Amino acid sequence: QKEVEQNSGPLSVPEGAIASLNCTYSDRGSQSFFWYRQYSGKSPELIMSIYSNGDKEDGRFTAQLNKASQYVSLLIRDSQPSDSATYLCAVGEYGNKLVFGAGTILRVKS
Amino acid sequence: GAVVSQHPSRVICKSGTSVKIECRSLDFQATTMFWYRQFPKQSLMLMATSNEGSKATYEQGVEKDKFLINHASLTLSTLTVTSAHPEDSSFYICSARDRPSGATDTQYFGPGTRLTVL
Repeated sequence: QKEVEQNSGPLSVPEGAIASLNCTYSDRGSQSFFWYRQYSGKSPELIMSIYSNGDKEDGRFTAQLNKASQYVSLLIRDSQPSDSATYLCAVGEYGNKLVFGAGTILRVKS
Repeated sequence: GAVVSQHPSRVICKSGTSVKIECRSLDFQATTMFWYRQFPKQSLMLMATSNEGSKATYEQGVEKDKFLINHASLTLSTLTVTSAHPEDSSFYICSARDRPSGATDTQYFGPGTRLTVL
């Protein structure tokens, strides 16, 4: 059973700080990785995808992937109260399915 | 781009009735659509994978006769919850994947349908 692990949180950061969200996965052969944000009562929205080792930046978001360590992270710079949500890590598997982690609750305090 | 819609957004029904939920990809053709269920404070649980023109593939433990999936076109998939019971009350979310040629395997989610069975 492929697994994706996330710390459930809540992770609390002050406004303007960097929020660091982490995710580990069990399948060493995984090739695609995604971060989704989900506000309470809403469906997930895609933040970033990453496929290669290293960093990928998009605005205030940076995804980091280390396949050797089976680790993917999401950094949110200049965190805003509107970033408060549950962040879901997802790993692609055969058949184009995604395996989701349980999510990390982020709270940004103003 | 990559917009997925769902209808209805919310439905309340009596126990024993059937409910149909539609999922549409509005600006792209989706060869594959996925149906998820999410209970409060839990993560998404994949129910089934729906490929256009073929039978859906259900995840272990999901009753195919209870959750009927039809993917009749490249832009529309439907989920019918048959003989719904209170334990079926949940947040049902679909996602759609781009056609494979040159595209990533990114899934784009619809806004979800909240089902309440009385």
